[in-house]
Amino acid sequence: DAGVTQSPTHLIKTRGQHVTLRCSPISGHKSVSWYQQVLGQGPQFIFQYYEKEERGRGNFPDRFSARQFPNYSSELNVNALLLGDSALYLCASSWGQGPMTEAFFGQGTRLTVV
Amino acid sequence: AQSVTQLDSQVPVFEEAPVELRCNYSSSVSVYLFWYVQYPNQGLQLLLKYLSGSTLVESINGFEAEFNKSQTSFHLRKPSVHISDTAEYFCAVRVMNRDDKIIFGKGTRLHILP
Repeated sequence: DAGVTQSPTHLIKTRGQHVTLRCSPISGHKSVSWYQQVLGQGPQFIFQYYEKEERGRGNFPDRFSARQFPNYSSELNVNALLLGDSALYLCASSWGQGPMTEAFFGQGTRLTVV
Repeated sequence: AQSVTQLDSQVPVFEEAPVELRCNYSSSVSVYLFWYVQYPNQGLQLLLKYLSGSTLVESINGFEAEFNKSQTSFHLRKPSVHISDTAEYFCAVRVMNRDDKIIFGKGTRLHILP
């Protein structure tokens, strides 16, 4: 079975541009979460979606938005990119909610803003 | 609010020597504790977890961690490390909450010396 897949794996954007990152969860998983990992730091929670409903939002500006589609895949959108948005963006999926359900992470999308 | 502190950003250790990676957490509610490993240029993989029951938990590749409630710690240990253990290790907590977020520490880079 395929794991969590993220696309693209790498991309370079210019300040002020917009970017869309995509995530396909493991088949059967209904929860998708997004994390930002800046170099040298641990991942920081951005969003969580369960059954297409936003369940949580981290401490990120409104330039960050996300959605989950009927097939449970998800997109993370970032507007007006800043140099500080350069990071590895990780998507995680799980079949349900709560700490008892294991979260599986994708390989991430490395975003570089120049 | 919950937080995780990993006391060492880097730990150099000789091959076949024992290692301990330290993790302390802060929470006013019951937590579930995890260690994740990130190999170079890869996503996160779950190494081991404490949900309930025995306070000593083990992974399939020889790591173990002990939940100590009185000291609010969840240190990771391995009696003999191998070059293949070179990676970044993240301690994390989850709580029963609507947003189901994972709170990570800043990570400890394990550097195996030949």
